[in-house]
Amino acid sequence: EAQVTQNPRYLITVTGKKLTVTCSQNMNHEYMSWYRQDPGLGLRQIYYSMNVEVTDKGDVPEGYKVSRKEKRNFPLILESPSPNQTSLYFCASSTRGFGGNEQYFGPGTRLTVT
Amino acid sequence: AQSVTQLDSHVSVSEGTPVLLRCNYSSSYSPSLFWYVQHPNKGLQLLLKYTSAATLVKGINGFEAEFKKSETSFHLTKPSAHMSDAAEYFCVVSDREKTSYDKVIFGPGTSLSVIP
Repeated sequence: EAQVTQNPRYLITVTGKKLTVTCSQNMNHEYMSWYRQDPGLGLRQIYYSMNVEVTDKGDVPEGYKVSRKEKRNFPLILESPSPNQTSLYFCASSTRGFGGNEQYFGPGTRLTVT
Repeated sequence: AQSVTQLDSHVSVSEGTPVLLRCNYSSSYSPSLFWYVQHPNKGLQLLLKYTSAATLVKGINGFEAEFKKSETSFHLTKPSAHMSDAAEYFCVVSDREKTSYDKVIFGPGTSLSVIP
């Protein structure tokens, strides 16, 4: 089954404790992206990747890191989480560019930072 | 610069009545436009997309949207609401501001409630 998986689905952590949210897709997609969803703001892009070893900042990259060492995986790293990073996070992938192409979304990771 | 406005944060309709979710966009180039749906505690799923072909786009589950360039609108409609349509709906615009990347902007979302 074609899918995007994220782990963990739920995470409660404390300020400053490094964490990683994993994302994996089995569709051989080149493009991958991370979003955060906050009430009234829709989804905002954090980072995206156009291929292995090619990543770039989205609209809200502060406090986040990513890497793309393999085509299928695109982990999101919070080196020192803060309460304002409490949010719902989605990973997405797409065959080529996002323009005109459907993005396939993971189920989401709900992160709470206390 | 791109932007997306969803004119209603919440819409409530009775089952069997028409649905209209409004979206206006701003784009400097030739945009691609999408509607995604998010059911409670689920990821997002594509409903339909416009990519410069027919201006009336049909999607899944009986939804359709019409691209009106003169009005910079891409409203989502359905003739008859079903209880299973209750969800959050996002209008999305994408176009090529850079040569190698299509920037994607999500609207804030419209929550649709369907009353039995």
